Amino acid sequence: SQELEQSPQSLIVQEGKNLTINCTSSKTLYGLYWYKQKYGEGLIFLMMLQKGGEEKSHEKITAKLDEKKQQSSLHITASQPSHAGIYLCAYQGGSEKLVFGKGTKLTVNP
Amino acid sequence: SQTIHQWPATLVQPVGSPLSLECTVEGTSNPNLYWYRQAAGRGLQLLFYSVGIGQISSEVPQNLSASRPQDRQFILSSKKLLLSDSGFYLCAWSSARNQPQHFGDGTRLSIL
Repeated sequence: SQELEQSPQSLIVQEGKNLTINCTSSKTLYGLYWYKQKYGEGLIFLMMLQKGGEEKSHEKITAKLDEKKQQSSLHITASQPSHAGIYLCAYQGGSEKLVFGKGTKLTVNP
Repeated sequence: SQTIHQWPATLVQPVGSPLSLECTVEGTSNPNLYWYRQAAGRGLQLLFYSVGIGQISSEVPQNLSASRPQDRQFILSSKKLLLSDSGFYLCAWSSARNQPQHFGDGTRLSIL
């Protein structure tokens, strides 16, 4: 089955620094989603990427899907404590389900 | 705008007791509805989904069941809880397949 591998597993940065989180698939992705989860809370939808080479931005967060549609990256510019949380990538599985990566835990120190 | 509500936020239940978690969506019609579980140290696992009233699909065999008595209401139930049912339960909705799923705030279930 298709799996998503996220790296790094955890990341600690100083406020104001840029950072990148990666999500790699063993097979071609036909739709890649990025979510953010704060501990003990629900998931917040960030962005959806569908086309090879696609790039989307929301505030200081930019997500890209490579041309081969097997890798996506999430880049945060000038990180803030509000960016802290767990970032999850997911793809649409064969049925209705989303298949998630294991997540990247981001800590932003003030 | 659309909103999704889950309750209760936390629940502590003894082994063998029944369970009923409720999820409602506002601001949309005929949504696809989903129940996920996030167990400690494990990823999110889809338990059930529904594309319409009375239509329930189960992704994994388990001790739980789901029902959709109304268009925007999704209920997760169990007749007898097991210790392994502990976890964080999330309800989600989407307008259609291949569209983003939007999640509720979750219910943390602890079984004693």
